[in-house]
Amino acid sequence: DIQMTQSPSSLSASVGDRVTITCRASQSISSYLNWYQQKPGKAPKLLIYVASSLQSGVPSRFSGSGSGTDFTLTISSLQPEDFATYYCQQSYSTPYIFGQGTKLEIK
Amino acid sequence: QVQLVQSGAEVKMPGASVKVSCKTSGYTFTNYYIHWVRQAPGQGLEWMGIIDPSGDLTSYAQKFQGRATMTRDTSTSTVYMELSSLRSEDTAVYYCARGWIAAGGYFDYWGQGTLVTVSS
Repeated sequence: DIQMTQSPSSLSASVGDRVTITCRASQSISSYLNWYQQKPGKAPKLLIYVASSLQSGVPSRFSGSGSGTDFTLTISSLQPEDFATYYCQQSYSTPYIFGQGTKLEIK
Repeated sequence: QVQLVQSGAEVKMPGASVKVSCKTSGYTFTNYYIHWVRQAPGQGLEWMGIIDPSGDLTSYAQKFQGRATMTRDTSTSTVYMELSSLRSEDTAVYYCARGWIAAGGYFDYWGQGTLVTVSS
């Protein structure tokens, strides 16, 4: 199975900050890396697919990059509604394992 | 609009089975996979398996092999996930999600989640 490791596991930041979350795969997954945002009590929401494509309706302050084994999610200027938990997920091969999550909290 | 609507919360005894439904609408049912993902209280997301509604093909995470069964009813565009031999560690919110067959396999629409509580 391909393992996914996210860092950091938690992050404190302020409105307006630029934040970066990283995700590393245990083997190459080409660009088959997706990012989801989850708020308490809600289903996850797709933000970025195939590493860098922005899902329709998602604000442009979200961006993704990377290929192979190393990937990043960047939020260019944090907004109050961005405080949530973020998960990466590989869709290269089953099982489609998720990273352990990064909880983004208000500083 | 695309919708995935799941069945309601369940409370089950250890050793019992649970069957969760996911009724889809707003798209061609057989053109996308359906995945099941669960989330234990306070924990992360765990992929359980996938069903191809066009041919009823399934694939399960090793952890759920032999205990999870995913089926579909094309007449109602509904997918089902049954989990047997329940134990307390199966207490979780179970989600269905629509997965692209090509172009990356990502999950673009999710159900609202179904809480399954396993308790004696």
